Amino acid sequence: RKEVEQDPGPFNVPEGATVAFNCTYSNSASQSFFWYRQDCRKEPKLLMSVYSSGNEDGRFTAQLNRASQYISLLIRDSKLSDSATYLCVVSLIGGGSYIPTFGRGTSLIVHP
Amino acid sequence: EPEVTQTPSHQVTQMGQEVILRCVPISNHLYFYWYRQILGQKVEFLVSFYNNEISEKSEIFDDQFSVERPDGSNFTLKIRSTKLEDSAMYFCASRDTGGRLFFGSGTQLSVL
Repeated sequence: RKEVEQDPGPFNVPEGATVAFNCTYSNSASQSFFWYRQDCRKEPKLLMSVYSSGNEDGRFTAQLNRASQYISLLIRDSKLSDSATYLCVVSLIGGGSYIPTFGRGTSLIVHP
Repeated sequence: EPEVTQTPSHQVTQMGQEVILRCVPISNHLYFYWYRQILGQKVEFLVSFYNNEISEKSEIFDDQFSVERPDGSNFTLKIRSTKLEDSAMYFCASRDTGGRLFFGSGTQLSVL
């Protein structure tokens, strides 16, 4: 079973739409969760951390469901510039190690 | 804003040659990572480094790979005898106390 799974998409949405991505993780002991954004052939950039209580940053809302082992990202009022691949990152902390593990990413295309 | 810098941005080498990829992490970070991304695939963990030693490594990080922090600022990844399948984008990252990774812009390695 893959450690971090995401629907690769692509999600093709018009400007102004609301779109949601999910990510599931296999290790219930995972402790840190993040969403990153990656543009084509560029480095991943941190979009937001995901907290247990859920958190919002402008048009972006992240939720964590520990019982079902998934995290979600909601983007409201999509912009053309939101077109990118969204990477789910899950980290396990234990034995002195901390390895952020990436999902394959979900591709978002926002069209006019 | 502090950033992770990587050099070179592109490296072309012949199979069997040694390459050294260089990174300067964010100065007050203590944990450093190398990841790689083969075109069209996910970001894969190679190795983590803390307190001048490897803390974790993946199965990919075999005897052909090594890391060093020779002078307190640079963090290098060496591949001793490159193979065709080593062709990928290599990303260096440093981690803050909140567990967030900050990536360099990557080195595109092409092995011919």
